[in-house]
Amino acid sequence: DTEVTQTPKHLVMGMTNKKSLKCEQHMGHRAMYWYKQKAKKPPELMFVYSYEKLSINESVPSRFSPECPNSSLLNLHLHALQPEDSALYLCASSQVGTYNEQFFGPGTRLTVL
Amino acid sequence: AQSVSQHNHHVILSEAASLELGCNYSYGGTVNLFWYVQYPGQHLQLLLKYFSGDPLVKGIKGFEAEFIKSKFSFNLRKPSVQWSDTAEYFCAVNAIPSNDYKLSFGAGTTVTVRA
Repeated sequence: DTEVTQTPKHLVMGMTNKKSLKCEQHMGHRAMYWYKQKAKKPPELMFVYSYEKLSINESVPSRFSPECPNSSLLNLHLHALQPEDSALYLCASSQVGTYNEQFFGPGTRLTVL
Repeated sequence: AQSVSQHNHHVILSEAASLELGCNYSYGGTVNLFWYVQYPGQHLQLLLKYFSGDPLVKGIKGFEAEFIKSKFSFNLRKPSVQWSDTAEYFCAVNAIPSNDYKLSFGAGTTVTVRA
C-alpha cells in the first residue's frame, strides 16, 4: 500500500468552529508532514513529525494544532481560523533517513467563511 | 538552507512540441532531487526522482530529467507533449544528510498545452 489518505476531501467551516483534518499511511513511514498549498503555488511546510514527535513547526499560528497519535496517523486540529487560511492542506509521509521521498495525500480543500 | 528556482513561470506550447523546464538549486552538498506534477484539481504526483547513480533519470508519462552537478541543475524534458500534460510542475530538493527532512520547492511552472 503506497497511499496516503486524507479526510475529509472538502471542509467548509466558520471562524468560530473547531474541526480536524485526518491523515493516514500504512507504508511504515516514520516521518509525516503537513503542508498548506494555495492555488498555483508550491506547498508550504507547516509541521514535521519524526517518530511521532514534533520536530519542526514552521512558525505556524496556534490556531493550527497538529497531533500524531501513532506512527500511521496524523491529525491537524483547527480552531478560530481566518478566511486567509482557506487552502489545500496536504499530508505527506516518508522514511526517515537519506532517501526520504515524500508521498503526498490528495489533500483537504478547506474553506473558511 | 537550500533554495530552488524554476526559470519559467508559464509555458504555452502546442501538442507534439518538446518541453524543457529549468530547475536550479543552491546547495553545495549532496541532494535528492524531485519533479512533481499537479494536474488541475488534483494532488501532487511524483514524476521522477534522483538520489544517485545515472544522472539521466526516466520517469512516468515519458518524462525524463538530467542532473548536472556542476550547474546545480535538474531540468525536466519531454520530447512530445500531449494536451493531458497541462498541469503545474514543481521541482523540489532536499539536502542530505538532513535532520529535518525539509523538501524545498521551486515556485512552479504552469504548462499549458494547446490541442
